[in-house]
Amino acid sequence: KAGVTQTPRYLIKTRGQQVTLSCSPISGHRSVSWYQQTPGQGLQFLFEYFSETQRNKGNFPGRFSGRQFSNSRSEMNVSTLELGDSALYLCASSLALASARTGELFFGEGSRLTVL
Amino acid sequence: AQSVTQPDIHITVSEGASLELRCNYSYGATPYLFWYVQSPGQGLQLLLKYFSGDTLVQGIKGFEAEFKRSQSSFNLRKPSVHWSDAAEYFCAVGLTQGGSEKLVFGKGTKLTVNP
Repeated sequence: KAGVTQTPRYLIKTRGQQVTLSCSPISGHRSVSWYQQTPGQGLQFLFEYFSETQRNKGNFPGRFSGRQFSNSRSEMNVSTLELGDSALYLCASSLALASARTGELFFGEGSRLTVL
Repeated sequence: AQSVTQPDIHITVSEGASLELRCNYSYGATPYLFWYVQSPGQGLQLLLKYFSGDTLVQGIKGFEAEFKRSQSSFNLRKPSVHWSDAAEYFCAVGLTQGGSEKLVFGKGTKLTVNP
């Protein structure tokens, strides 16, 4: 069974640009969550999608957005990039909604974004 | 505010030695507690979880953790460490905050294993 796949794995952007990251969950998983990982702040929750709807949201500005498609694949977008957006962005999938309280999240290897 | 604290940023142990990684949480209600491991260049993998019941939980790779409500702790242990256990370990609390449900992670403890 294939794991969570994130693309691209690495990318470099400049300030002011926007970026779109993609996540394909494990087959059959309907929930996709996104996390930002930085050395200073650690792992921070961005949002969770289930059945194409954002169900849970962290404390990030509106520049961070996402969506989920009918096949459960998800994308996140960051507009007007800032230097502080440089991070590893991790996607996690699970069978159920609110998986943070119920069980296991399966993480991808992440997309490492560098903003220059 | 709800939070998760891992007091040790970096721990070094010898292969074969025992290991204990500390985790303290601050949360008013009964927490859902997790330990995840992240190997270099990899995503996170769930080691074990605690929801209720027996306060000593067993996980994968020979790890166990004990929930102590009186100390607000959920420490991770392993009797004998293997070189392949070198990784970063994250404690997490599943909670509801501002109407949203999410995992709140500690800052992590990096484990180095000496031969």
